[in-house]
Amino acid sequence: EPEVTQTPSHQVTQMGQEVILRCVPISNHLYFYWYRQILGQKVEFLVSFYNNEISEKSEIFDDQFSVERPDGSNFTLKIRSTKLEDSAMYFCASSERGGSGANVLTFGAGSRLTVL
Amino acid sequence: GQHIDQPTEMTATEGAIVQINCTYQTSGFNGLFWYQQHAGEAPTFLSYNVLDGLEEKGRFSSFLSRSKGYSYLLLKELQMKDSASYLCAVMDSNYQLIWGAGTKLIIKP
Repeated sequence: EPEVTQTPSHQVTQMGQEVILRCVPISNHLYFYWYRQILGQKVEFLVSFYNNEISEKSEIFDDQFSVERPDGSNFTLKIRSTKLEDSAMYFCASSERGGSGANVLTFGAGSRLTVL
Repeated sequence: GQHIDQPTEMTATEGAIVQINCTYQTSGFNGLFWYQQHAGEAPTFLSYNVLDGLEEKGRFSSFLSRSKGYSYLLLKELQMKDSASYLCAVMDSNYQLIWGAGTKLIIKP
């Protein structure tokens, strides 16, 4: 079964450092997402991406965050200057369609970010 | 504001049936999803409801009442591996998924 792959599975970084989280969505999917989940809390939407541009972003996704699709397969989330409160599990997801209908998201296994 | 409410935690016995409720208030409605999430893992898709009624898929069923802003996930013949968090998520008028905090289901032998 096709899957979304994320790397690294766990990253530990110092506050203020830049971090790049990588994702390879399912190959025929056109819509890509980043979510985060702070330990013990709910899943929070960060950003959605379609046709090489951001389609929606949440209040969490401020200027410290950026996304990129540098080639035909990778989808990256960059945090420019990490803060302690950025410590969370970051999930990448992709879907075949974005709008109406059963827009089923397939999630990657997640990248756990720990900021010290 | 938009919100989704689910019980924080439920306990059930192996072999039994459990119903996990979800109520929602969102700006528009384009479908309701249930996801299962084992501790430390990614959410995995269980079901999707957009019309009122019951959708059955093996041991799992999901019900929706749009007029009441209400859904439930019914799990039958519970197995120990069903111990997980169950997340209710609603797609709003902007096609964004609004997530509930999840219900942690504990299965006892």
